[in-house]
Amino acid sequence: GENVEQHPSTLSVQEGDSAVIKCTYSDSASNYFPWYKQELGKRPQLIIDIRSNVGEKKDQRIAVTLNKTAKHFSLHITETQPEDSAVYFCAASLYNQGGKLIFGQGTELSVKP
Amino acid sequence: GAVVSQHPSWVICKSGTSVKIECRSLDFQATTMFWYRQFPKQSLMLMATSNEGSKATYEQGVEKDKFLINHASLTLSTLTVTSAHPEDSSFYICSARVPSGVGNTEAFFGQGTRLTVV
Repeated sequence: GENVEQHPSTLSVQEGDSAVIKCTYSDSASNYFPWYKQELGKRPQLIIDIRSNVGEKKDQRIAVTLNKTAKHFSLHITETQPEDSAVYFCAASLYNQGGKLIFGQGTELSVKP
Repeated sequence: GAVVSQHPSWVICKSGTSVKIECRSLDFQATTMFWYRQFPKQSLMLMATSNEGSKATYEQGVEKDKFLINHASLTLSTLTVTSAHPEDSSFYICSARVPSGVGNTEAFFGQGTRLTVV
């Protein structure tokens, strides 16, 4: 089955700097890659997603890139702010599994003012 | 976006008792829902796929007789933790995806249930 690896496990940046989180997946059939932000005790919130027919997607300060050949995708956050501090999870999914998500291990991002 | 509601938000139970957690899709029908478990400072681990009108599909290592899943309607799936033990204490969270013919769409999560077994 699918396996998703995420790095780093913790990331500390200064406010205004950029943050990059990387994930690799094992199943070349996976075709949907969402990123979630989770605050303590809360449900995961989708921040951006990308489908396998697209190499890059951007939404304001957040961007995701996908390299299907290498089977890895990355989250880029620019101009980080203290409120970006949270745990971020990448995930991978197969179209024919109706939304079943396999998550990476998570990255705890800390943005220092 | 679509709404998935989970109840209760937290529950404390005694060791050996059973606890039922409900997951409802409020504004859409979900033939499939998913149950995840999250231990502190860990990732969300898929436990099972809940299928409306048929048996759930469990991930490897998840005891189907301990974690009973019922998906009796298009808007409700329940997870029952039977004979709960302290090691079952965790954050349980469900998700569902709005059906679409255009490929994967966003999965919506319930607010989660914090289970503490004492």
